[in-house]
Amino acid sequence: GAVVSQHPSRVICKSGTSVKIECRSLDFQATTMFWYRQFPKQSLMLMATSNEGSKATYEQGVEKDKFLINHASLTLSTLTVTSAHPEDSSFYICSAREDTGGGSGYTFGSGTRLTVV
Amino acid sequence: SQQGEEDPQALSIQEGENATMNCSYKTSINNLQWYRQNSGRGLVHLILIRSNEREKHSGRLRVTLDTSKKSSSLLITASRAADTASYFCGTSYGKLTFGQGTILTVHP
Repeated sequence: GAVVSQHPSRVICKSGTSVKIECRSLDFQATTMFWYRQFPKQSLMLMATSNEGSKATYEQGVEKDKFLINHASLTLSTLTVTSAHPEDSSFYICSAREDTGGGSGYTFGSGTRLTVV
Repeated sequence: SQQGEEDPQALSIQEGENATMNCSYKTSINNLQWYRQNSGRGLVHLILIRSNEREKHSGRLRVTLDTSKKSSSLLITASRAADTASYFCGTSYGKLTFGQGTILTVHP
């Protein structure tokens, strides 16, 4: 079945530094990928839709300059949390939508636990 | 949540009992999907129901969809301790957004 690899699974960084998270579809092409943020015991909040070869579409309230998204190929999207602060600590999950549209169409990575100290 | 509400927010049952979770959504949809999440992990797809379907089964799972009420339910029959997890409904109309989720605890 479709597999999405997300890494790192955990990262601890200092305030003010930037962190890059990768989301890679291993066995399918994904023109569109999605980035979510999840706080403890809460639901997944869609942050942005990542489109290969074009600018990402951000949800209302999400800072574009804070959360930089790059989708340079059909199998890779990256989320960079710039100038991270403790309030950015969260669980970030990516999802890739299969271009062929088979099955559910959406496959999720295993998530990245970001802790900013 | 971005899409709707789920109830109950938490459900605690004994092994062998059935678990029912409900989900309401706000906008038009192409399909509705249920996912499971174990603590600190990614989401695992359980079942998809299209907007023109009313009921779907997969193993111990039964999903219903009422588009007139913008609601769906997930029934897990003969629950097992291994079913303990959070369950989310996601609605798709181009992008996939989620309800608040139900935390299910199945006691052995």
